[in-house]
Amino acid sequence: QQQVKQSPQSLIVQKGGISIINCAYENTAFDYFPWYQQFPGKGPALLIAIRPDVSEKKEGRFTISFNKSAKQFSLHIMDSQPGDSATYFCAASRMDSNYQLIWGAGTKLIIKP
Amino acid sequence: DAGITQSPRHKVTETGTPVTLRCHQTENHRYMYWYRQDPGHGLRLIHYSYGVKDTDKGEVSDGYSVSRSKTEDFLLTLESATSSQTSVYFCAISDAARRGDRGYEQYFGPGTRLTVT
Repeated sequence: QQQVKQSPQSLIVQKGGISIINCAYENTAFDYFPWYQQFPGKGPALLIAIRPDVSEKKEGRFTISFNKSAKQFSLHIMDSQPGDSATYFCAASRMDSNYQLIWGAGTKLIIKP
Repeated sequence: DAGITQSPRHKVTETGTPVTLRCHQTENHRYMYWYRQDPGHGLRLIHYSYGVKDTDKGEVSDGYSVSRSKTEDFLLTLESATSSQTSVYFCAISDAARRGDRGYEQYFGPGTRLTVT
């Protein structure tokens, strides 16, 4: 029940295309769903996050879509750029868990010029 | 990297030797975390701390211990290193005193690459 399943493991997208990464969870007590971005040799950094009472959140070219009934959420990167090439992690947390994040396994995204 | 340093950044050690990794923060954040990152597994929580001398186990705590005697320092010790502990280790911090979503945000250090031969 604590798992967060992320797919695909790797993704290649042409420059200018839309990158889509999906995550699914089981625990309905989760109340915070972030996406982190990690470049090689660096630690992950928060990209965008959503709460379950919102179905979509957009920040620039990055959008989270959230489907509470299906227990799924996804990251969409519009107009993907080579600089977006990185590993992306979804995660989930709940307020009573000492702010622990449960992480997906990660998606390595490559944007081809 | 939000005022977080990790030392050493790289270490090669032999099986059976003790190893201590250090995380130092200058943000005065209450929560500190140790993760390991391995291909195909993402980030897995080893131990975390919610205050000085207050620590708890994470998902993969076997073979690891931690200590936090000061707000700014969180130490991870491998008492007797094994090859299965070869990994990249990340420290993270979060400020639970912040309201709303900001309390959940974790800031990561640059990582320590540990190789156990």
